[in-house]
Amino acid sequence: GENVEQHPSTLSVQEGDSAVIKCTYSDSASNYFPWYKQELGKGPQLIIDIRSNVGEKKDQRIAVTLNKTAKHFSLHITETQPEDSAVYFCAAQKGSGGSNYKLTFGKGTLLTVNP
Amino acid sequence: EPEVTQTPSHQVTQMGQEVILRCVPISNHLYFYWYRQILGQKVEFLVSFYNNEISEKSEIFDDQFSVERPDGSNFTLKIRSTKLEDSAMYFCASTVSSRELFFGEGSRLTVL
Repeated sequence: GENVEQHPSTLSVQEGDSAVIKCTYSDSASNYFPWYKQELGKGPQLIIDIRSNVGEKKDQRIAVTLNKTAKHFSLHITETQPEDSAVYFCAAQKGSGGSNYKLTFGKGTLLTVNP
Repeated sequence: EPEVTQTPSHQVTQMGQEVILRCVPISNHLYFYWYRQILGQKVEFLVSFYNNEISEKSEIFDDQFSVERPDGSNFTLKIRSTKLEDSAMYFCASTVSSRELFFGEGSRLTVL
């Protein structure tokens, strides 16, 4: 089955700096890669996603890049703010719908943005 | 904004006891999931449910686990005879047909 590795496990940055979290996946059939943010005491919330037919996607301060050949994808957060502090999970998924929306998650990255 | 709600937020139980975790998915969603997260480990898929039956289940989802959608709104996960290693945060998720899964805030299960 699919295996997703995520690095680093913890990341501490100063407010205003950029943060980069990297993930690799094993199954070349995976074609959808979401990133989830989990704040303390809450469930994971989707912040950005990318499909395998796209190499990069950006939404304001957040961007995701995908390298299908190397089977890795990355989350980039620019101009970090204290409210960006949370656990970030990458995930991979294959399939085209319905019950195939099973996600395989990475282990998570605890991001701390210091004021 | 519609959300997935889960109860209880925290349950403590003795080993061997039955536990039922409840979820109310977003009302127009059709696909339902349970995931779990053991402390410090990955979020792991347990089971997916569609059209009143299990679509897929993981190796973790053995005969001690069952799911049910008894009344068209609730979606429950039952653990028949809990073990210490069942201690985890259990997340319910739902989706209508897009790939975005909406997660609840989780139910923390502690088995003593």
